[in-house]
This record gives sequence, C-alpha cells and structure tokens, in this order.
Amino acid sequence: AQSVAQPEDQVNVAEGNPLTVKCTYSVSGNPYLFWYVQYPNRGLQFLLKYITGDNLVKGSYGFEAEFNKSQTSFHLKKPSALVSDSALYFCAVRDILSNTGKLIFGQGTTLQVKP
Amino acid sequence: GAVVSQHPSWVICKSGTSVKIECRSLDFQATTMFWYRQFPKQSLMLMATSNEGSKATYEQGVEKDKFLINHASLTLSTLTVTSAHPEDSSFYICSASDRAPGHYNEQFFGPGTRLTVL
Repeated sequence: AQSVAQPEDQVNVAEGNPLTVKCTYSVSGNPYLFWYVQYPNRGLQFLLKYITGDNLVKGSYGFEAEFNKSQTSFHLKKPSALVSDSALYFCAVRDILSNTGKLIFGQGTTLQVKP
Repeated sequence: GAVVSQHPSWVICKSGTSVKIECRSLDFQATTMFWYRQFPKQSLMLMATSNEGSKATYEQGVEKDKFLINHASLTLSTLTVTSAHPEDSSFYICSASDRAPGHYNEQFFGPGTRLTVL
C-alpha cells in the first residue's frame, strides 16, 4: 500500500534557526511528492513538488526539500525560520494506483517558530 | 492563476437541514475536482473525486446519499450535506485539477468551508 508518514506531530524552532520537517514515503514505482502548508481555518497552499530531475527542489517562501530515494524521504527545510512560518505542514504523494491523480496525505506536522 | 474558490466560507445550520457548498475554479477548467474533510488538527480525508459530467467516485466509508456531489460544469462542483447532524460538523476543502486525470496534474486547493451543525 502506498503511504506517507510525518513522524513528528510538532516541531519547535527558534526564529532564525534552520528548520526541518520530516516526511517519508512508501510507493511502488517513482513517487510524485508534494509539500503543502495550511494556516488556521484556511485551505492548503502549495509549497513545492518533486516529479523528476534534481533531488533538491526549491519552492515558495524560501522552502526547499530534498528527495532521497535510498532513504525514501522528502524532508522540508528552510535555512532560517520566521515566526510567520508557524503553521501546519502536509507532505503528500500522488496515488499512482489511482487514475484520478488523487493525493495521499501525511498526518501533518505543526511547526512552531518562537521569537 | 489557478485560483479555486469556495462558498460559503462558513455556515451554521440546524440539525436535519441540508447544506450546499460550492467549489469553483476561477481561471481554469477543472476536469477533476476532489472533496476533502478535515477534523481539527488532523489530516485531510478524501471523500470523493468528481469528473465533469459523470458520477462522483466516493472513497470507502463515505455515504454517497449523505454527501451528494455534482460536477455539472468544468468550473463548478457542489457538495450537498443532506440531513446534516452535529457529527457532520467539520472543515470541508475542495481541490481542482486542470487536466485529464494523470500523475503530473497538480491540485489547486480552495480556502475551505467551516460547517457547524447545531
């Protein structure tokens, strides 16, 4: 079965420090991976995606993610966290067994950036 | 580009009434739309997938007679919660994809609708 795991319910970092939000996946075949951010009572905002090519993907708001096939990971990173980055982050993988292109989401990680 | 809107953004209704939520793609044609449900601080649960002009495909465990989905045009899908009860209170989010189903399609998400059933 295809799945995505975000092992941390919450990540706490100080403003200005680097942040990492972890994501691992399990799929058959090549994965198509996504990161989304959700602010309270809002929909999801797209951050970045990996389809193919360079393992380091750069996205919105200074975020980047590294695709690591051997470790089946796609961790989200940012060199210097901002208080405004505090939100709920979701990793997702395209369900390649579905012909509708639906996404499988991780359980989400709350990022708390403290001043 | 690729903006998806939802209406209403929040709704409060009495138990037993029906509520309709609209999802519109504003600047592209959405061949496929998805409806999700989200409980507080939890992940998104896919309820159903709809393609324009055809019946929606519901996920296992989702009552199709309770959650009616209509995708009548390439820019509009509606979710109707029939005979709503307090346990239907949730945050409902739609997303839209602008090409025929496939692996490279990107989903664009609406802002969500907060439903509270009294």
